[in-house]
Amino acid sequence: NAGVTQTPKFQVLKTGQSMTLQCAQDMNHEYMSWYRQDPGMGLRLIHYSVGAGITDQGEVPNGYNVSRSTTEDFPLRLLSAAPSQTSVYFCASSYQTGLGQETQYFGPGTRLLVL
Amino acid sequence: RKEVEQDPGPFNVPEGATVAFNCTYSNSASQSFFWYRQDCRKEPKLLMSVYSSGNEDGRFTAQLNRASQYISLLIRDSKLSDSATYLCVVNWGPDKLIFGTGTRLQVFP
Repeated sequence: NAGVTQTPKFQVLKTGQSMTLQCAQDMNHEYMSWYRQDPGMGLRLIHYSVGAGITDQGEVPNGYNVSRSTTEDFPLRLLSAAPSQTSVYFCASSYQTGLGQETQYFGPGTRLLVL
Repeated sequence: RKEVEQDPGPFNVPEGATVAFNCTYSNSASQSFFWYRQDCRKEPKLLMSVYSSGNEDGRFTAQLNRASQYISLLIRDSKLSDSATYLCVVNWGPDKLIFGTGTRLQVFP
């Protein structure tokens, strides 16, 4: 199993450009999520999905869109990049949600710089 | 009060030392608690879940104090390889996890 994969590893964008960060998992996990990690802020939840066709907002959803058309893929779209979106983005998946929240498996991250 | 608070450190300890980290959380309804480890420029990985009765995994012991709303992580006989950032994680409702900002541990020879 490849686990959770993310592409690209690094990206430089200009302000106003759009792009999609890809995330895929091959563990048949129902729950997937996107986080951003900034110095001194910890990981903050952007969007999450409890299954194909279902998405919801996290703490910091503004400026990002997601969709979940398949169990395996959960892309994150930046609509119009801003310097404030410079960050490290992690995708994660787990077997189930609920109070028995299972281990979150993280992808290797995408480092994004917006100029 | 922040949802999850941790002392950022760094904690600088010699090999073989015992070190403990605490983490406080604000949501009294939280039911799931974890410690994750994150190496520099890497993704977080689960270190251990924290159960009500406390749990131990080798040199690592995790405790939960619901009354005071904190969890702790104790590392005994520290190794150089334990150097990392330790993230406290608490569920916020059924579908969300809140991560602390992490406590950095540096073990020196």
